[in-house]
Amino acid sequence: GDSVTQMEGPVTLSEEAFLTINCTYTATGYPSLFWYVQYPGEGLQLLLKATKADDKGSNKGFEATYRKETTSFHLEKGSVQVSDSAVYFCALGSNAGGTSYGKLTFGQGTILTVHP
Amino acid sequence: ETGVTQSPTHLIKTRGQQVTLRCSSQSGHNTVSWYQQALGQGPQFIFQYYREEENGRGNFPPRFSGLQFPNYSSELNVNALELDDSALYLCASSLAWQKETQYFGPGTRLLVL
Repeated sequence: GDSVTQMEGPVTLSEEAFLTINCTYTATGYPSLFWYVQYPGEGLQLLLKATKADDKGSNKGFEATYRKETTSFHLEKGSVQVSDSAVYFCALGSNAGGTSYGKLTFGQGTILTVHP
Repeated sequence: ETGVTQSPTHLIKTRGQQVTLRCSSQSGHNTVSWYQQALGQGPQFIFQYYREEENGRGNFPPRFSGLQFPNYSSELNVNALELDDSALYLCASSLAWQKETQYFGPGTRLLVL
């Protein structure tokens, strides 16, 4: 079945450092890929998405490229801020049968802490 | 534009009881999905509703059931609560033609004692 594997955390960085959170997936067909962010005590916010191979999703300085050959969707940001401290989830969106339902399969999450 | 809302925010129940959680979808969204997020884990798909019918389900027992109403709002019902049902329950809404792109509410935290 579908699965998502994220790099184990937690990740601790200083402000303005470069961020990479690795994500690889296993899926049949051609899934969409997503990154969600969860701040303490809140629900998930959609950060970015990519719907086909070689697509790059971007938002708020974060980027991720859909790499079909390596089945990866790594999240990157050039300069992190203290306000980026949160839990980041990589997710795979499968539209079973193409016409039925769409569910998200999530990784286990990566805790990011950014220090001033 | 109104986002996804959920109620209540927190709930405490005892083992064997029943619970109903509620969700209002984002304006214009007609598909609702429910997820269970245990502490320190990623969310797990429970089921999805479209046109007032369940059109997809994850690996959850039948005591997890739901409803969708004509205004696209939804309920999640859990019968015979077990201790392991303690979790954050997340509702997400989406458009019918883009069911995978889902927008989440703040969640309901359920504690079963």
